[in-house]
Order: sequence, then structure tokens, then C-alpha cells
Amino acid sequence: EDKVVQSPLSLVVHEGDTVTLNCSYEVTNFRSLLWYKQEKKAPTFLFMLTSSGIEKKSGRLSSILDKKELFSILNITATQTGDSAVYLCAVYQGAQKLVFGQGTRLTINP
Amino acid sequence: NAGVTQTPKFRVLKTGQSMTLLCAQDMNHEYMYWYRQDPGMGLRLIHYSVGEGTTAKGEVPDGYNVSRLKKQNFLLGLESAAPSQTSVYFCASGEAMEQYFGPGTRLTVT
Repeated sequence: EDKVVQSPLSLVVHEGDTVTLNCSYEVTNFRSLLWYKQEKKAPTFLFMLTSSGIEKKSGRLSSILDKKELFSILNITATQTGDSAVYLCAVYQGAQKLVFGQGTRLTINP
Repeated sequence: NAGVTQTPKFRVLKTGQSMTLLCAQDMNHEYMYWYRQDPGMGLRLIHYSVGEGTTAKGEVPDGYNVSRLKKQNFLLGLESAAPSQTSVYFCASGEAMEQYFGPGTRLTVT
């Protein structure tokens, strides 16, 4: 069975801390891995990763993929209260199939 | 440019009632998707469409029907609602690897 597992499920840190969110996967056909941020409603796209070892970066957020060990991490440095959200990891398998993880609920306290 | 919109935002149904959720997108995307999001289970694909007049089953299609009569609209129907269909429903459009989500519909079936 295809699965995407995120850890931790919940994380509470103080503003200014650095956090690392994990996503591991076991799927039959891997094309790419995507990260989304979900605040109150719709998930919004953050990164798409297709190649191992190449870091994607956007401001304080960065992500990297390891296709040998089947995982990805999402790093957020110098966290702000606006980073509080649920972060979703998903694997695209082709044929319109996206398999999502359960999400990590990140809370940043001032 | 509204992106992806969903109506209604909230709905409460009694077991056995029927309803239709409407999704509209103004980005001229060929692909549209319906997901449900339940606590601890991430997003799961119900049905999707690769173009006007086409539909296909996703991971959890039972109890739902869909139609794509116009390119910009994707309808999700529940013919006889059950409490197990209590969930938050998200519509998305785009290409499979980059999907843009609507704000969601919170459905409660009592």
C-alpha cells in the first residue's frame, strides 16, 4: 500500500527557533514530492522536488529530497508566528495521483 | 482572478439527503480534482477530471458522483449522505504536480 508519513504530527516552538519537518514515503511509482502549507483553509503550494540532493529555497524555507532513503525534510529558520500552519507533504505518482501525508501542525509562540 | 471557488462553504445534511458541491476555476486548467480531508488522514482523492466531459475515480470514490459539463466547473454529488461523509471537501485545479486548491466546504451529516 502506498503511504506517506509525516513527523512529528504536532510541534510547538518559540518565535525565532529553527524547525525541521520530516516526510518519508513508500510508493510504487515516484515522480515528485510536493510540500504545501495549509493555514485556515486551502493548502498553498510551497515546493516541488524531483531530484535528490538539490535544495529548493524560498526565503526562510528550504527543502531537500533523498530518493535513496525515501524522505524529504522541510526546514524553516527564524520562525515567525505567521509560519503557524499545517504543513502537508504529498507524493505524485503519475496518472493524476497525489498521495498526501497526515500533515504536521506547527505552532509558533511569540 | 478568483482562482478556485467552492460553494457552499458550510452545509449540514441529514442521513439520506442529497446535495451537490460546486467548484469553479477561472485559470483555464484542464485538470480538476475533488478531495476530502479528515483528521489524521491527510487529503484523499475522491474523483478527478482530465478535461471537459471526462471523469475518473480516485482513492475513495464510493458514495460520490461527479460531472464536468463545462471546463471551468466540476460538481461533486452525494446521492444519499451518510455520517461517514462528514468531512471537509476541497476542490483543486491545475496540472497533477501543481494543484491550486479552493477554500473548502465543511459538510456535516447527522
